[in-house]
Amino acid sequence: EAQVTQNPRYLITVTGKKLTVTCSQNMNHEYMSWYRQDPGLGLRQIYYSMNVEVTDKGDVPEGYKVSRKEKRNFPLILESPSPNQTSLYFCASSLSKDLAGVTDTQYFGPGTRLTVL
Amino acid sequence: AQKVTQAQTEISVVEKEDVTLDCVYETRDTTYYLFWYKQPPSGELVFLIRRNSFDEQNEISGRYSWNFQKSTSSFNFTITASQVVDSAVYFCALSDSLFSSGSARQLTFGSGTQLTVLP
Repeated sequence: EAQVTQNPRYLITVTGKKLTVTCSQNMNHEYMSWYRQDPGLGLRQIYYSMNVEVTDKGDVPEGYKVSRKEKRNFPLILESPSPNQTSLYFCASSLSKDLAGVTDTQYFGPGTRLTVL
Repeated sequence: AQKVTQAQTEISVVEKEDVTLDCVYETRDTTYYLFWYKQPPSGELVFLIRRNSFDEQNEISGRYSWNFQKSTSSFNFTITASQVVDSAVYFCALSDSLFSSGSARQLTFGSGTQLTVLP
């Protein structure tokens, strides 16, 4: 089954304790990205990756790191989490482009609810 | 800069009523792509539809229909004969073209509309 998986689904942590949220897709997609969802703000992109070893900042990258060592995985790293990073996080993936060069549909993971105390 | 506005924060309807969710967008790109996603109470995001800016034909899929009007920069979503299972947050989103000014593709979301369908 084609899917995007995230782990953990729920996480409560304390300020300053490094954490990693994993994201994996089994569709051989080139493009992957991370979003955070906050009430009244919709979804905002944190980082994205066009392919292996190619990453770039989205709209709200501060306090986050990512890596793309393999095509299927795109972990989100919070080196020193703070309470303002309490949010619902989504990972997404898509083919970079189809044969017509058209922007492809993004497929989203189930979300990770992070609480930083 | 791209922007998506969903002015309706919350809508409540009674089952079997029709409901329209509004979406207005802003972009300088001549080629762009519009999306609707559904987020049920379980939290995951479910893709509903993608439309290309060069195709203004309206689309119907079962009880769902979408009205794309470039003249008003709107991409509204109508649910006919709503059901309780339609209760969810609905997001409209905008993506630029891979060929637009060499900028990388990003997906810009509206703030979402919470739809509650009462039995």
